[in-house]
Amino acid sequence: SAVISQKPSRDICQRGTSLTIQCQVDSQVTMMFWYRQQPGQSLTLIATANQGSEATYESGFVIDKFPISRPNLTFSTLTVSNMSPEDSSIYLCSALARENIQYFGAGTRLSVL
Amino acid sequence: SQQGEEDPQALSIQEGENATMNCSYKTSINNLQWYRQNSGRGLVHLILIRSNEREKHSGRLRVTLDTSKKSSSLLITASRAADTASYFCATAAYGNNRLAFGKGNQVVVIP
Repeated sequence: SAVISQKPSRDICQRGTSLTIQCQVDSQVTMMFWYRQQPGQSLTLIATANQGSEATYESGFVIDKFPISRPNLTFSTLTVSNMSPEDSSIYLCSALARENIQYFGAGTRLSVL
Repeated sequence: SQQGEEDPQALSIQEGENATMNCSYKTSINNLQWYRQNSGRGLVHLILIRSNEREKHSGRLRVTLDTSKKSSSLLITASRAADTASYFCATAAYGNNRLAFGKGNQVVVIP
């Protein structure tokens, strides 16, 4: 198993600002993922964070809005840029373990005013 | 990507009763997993069932998989108040490390 530390756990931000979310894994993992979970909804994959190369974004998500860094095999960041109230969600990171099992951080609850 | 889709019903049961929830998906899978989420926090992996398996148990959890119907069920036996959570199924395709999550089922266990 892997332990994922994600921070901040929550934040309240002003429209037009940016927030960077950090995700630290207690062991080296090949793949990390970032998800968005809108209120009362399921998880939507934003992107796969690749170590040493650019993240792979899902349809509907772009690098300018959600830049991702993956400097090593234990750490990744997601930035939510130029925020609007529509970005209010829970953002979750995960790390891939064996057989497609993913271990998740506790999530970042973001409110944009 | 494929989507797991649970029946969107919310379940409210008494402690000690069994809770059953279902999931359907659309395309071929390598495996199907169930996760639990408490109060909008991170997800916790519960159980994985491979496409060549039909049933799997883990403690009070029983998962079935019917690939001909592209559906799965999760049974929680002898429920406890601590089982109150949202439960999501997620599917993984062959050669793909990404998971496609279903809509989730809210389960409330009344003490």
